Amino acid sequence: DGGITQSPKYLFRKEGQNVTLSCEQNLNHDAMYWYRQDPGQGLRLIYYSQIVNDFQKGDIAEGYSVSREKKESFPLTVTSAQKNPTAFYLCASSQPGLGEKLFFGSGTQLSVL
Amino acid sequence: EDKVVQSPLSLVVHEGDTVTLNCSYEVTNFRSLLWYKQEKKAPTFLFMLTSSGIEKKSGRLSSILDKKELFSILNITATQTGDSAVYLCAVGLITGANNLFFGTGTRLTVIP
Repeated sequence: DGGITQSPKYLFRKEGQNVTLSCEQNLNHDAMYWYRQDPGQGLRLIYYSQIVNDFQKGDIAEGYSVSREKKESFPLTVTSAQKNPTAFYLCASSQPGLGEKLFFGSGTQLSVL
Repeated sequence: EDKVVQSPLSLVVHEGDTVTLNCSYEVTNFRSLLWYKQEKKAPTFLFMLTSSGIEKKSGRLSSILDKKELFSILNITATQTGDSAVYLCAVGLITGANNLFFGTGTRLTVIP
């Protein structure tokens, strides 16, 4: 079955630690996205990539980094510079020709120890 | 500043009731409006609307867009407990990003 796989489902970060969230898709989509979801707030865009080896900052990129070395993979690193990382992180993908229709993974809940 | 506002924030109904969820928007480069259902983790796509006045239907769910008054509604008839979820409204913008601007969501709870 085609889809988007995020791992791990739950992740804990210690003070000063970088952590990496995995996102893999087998939909053959060109574009991939990372969103952050906080209680009472809408999904906010962190980073997006429309093609391999290229990515752009979204609305809340500070304290995060990404890479897009393969079409299938778009990992997100939450760095120690992100002072409030506790949130639910959603990865998504889309394909030109399908408009703005995004396909989402099941998310990673990140908490700070 | 672009804004998408959903109302109500939460709603509790009994099985069999009909509900209407609202989404209003103020954005500068509107292209489309999308509805998603988020039951536990992954939002799943419901509808994408680009033209005013054309109703989209899928079973007991339907949605319509009014581009003049800048809002959309999502109707669910004969609600079931499986409809309990957070319903997200998002606006697609005419930018190079091809990304979505989301509202805060409406939490619907359907009780037996």
